Amino acid sequence: NAGVTQTPKFQVLKTGQSMTLQCAQDMNHEYMSWYRQDPGMGLRLIHYSVGAGITDQGEVPNGYNVSRSTTEDFPLRLLSAAPSQTSVYFCASSYSSGAEAFFGQGTRLTVV
Amino acid sequence: GENVEQHPSTLSVQEGDSAVIKCTYSDSASNYFPWYKQELGKGPQLIIDIRSNVGEKKDQRIAVTLNKTAKHFSLHITETQPEDSAVYFCAASMRTYKYIFGTGTRLKVLA
Repeated sequence: NAGVTQTPKFQVLKTGQSMTLQCAQDMNHEYMSWYRQDPGMGLRLIHYSVGAGITDQGEVPNGYNVSRSTTEDFPLRLLSAAPSQTSVYFCASSYSSGAEAFFGQGTRLTVV
Repeated sequence: GENVEQHPSTLSVQEGDSAVIKCTYSDSASNYFPWYKQELGKGPQLIIDIRSNVGEKKDQRIAVTLNKTAKHFSLHITETQPEDSAVYFCAASMRTYKYIFGTGTRLKVLA
């Protein structure tokens, strides 16, 4: 039982490049979400999903796309990276709303 | 909009002393209040949570109290140990999946 797995752990991008952060969970959780963590700002919700085929925006969705084709996977896409997207990104999953969220180990992204 | 304020941002205590971290939330519809611990280089992990129908919950050295009228909740760690050193986040959630996190408290337990 691996829990929530994020790849890659580290990534450096040039401004304007695109990439996908991967997130997979093996707990059969319906709820999955992406957060970014910046110094002094806590964890801010980017996008979330309440099940396969259903996604919605969080607090800071601009510049990011998501899709949820399976229960297990919830990738986060940066279409045109900007320095303001330099951050640590966390994926989380939960059995239901109002339940414990399990976090991945994070992806540290630097955009130069 | 929804907001969670967390204080203090840093906290240093001597080993064996108690630590208290406080959070205030803005949305009175919030009904679930988890606390997460984040160690260096790792993702946050749940340490304790409380729901709006309960005023206090305890798990060994950790306790959480909730005051719905004042819209604040607190984390209490007693008999602190060096391994308690980490960043702690509070969060508030309504019936949706949208957790709103506080800005975090860096706790240092001095040996």
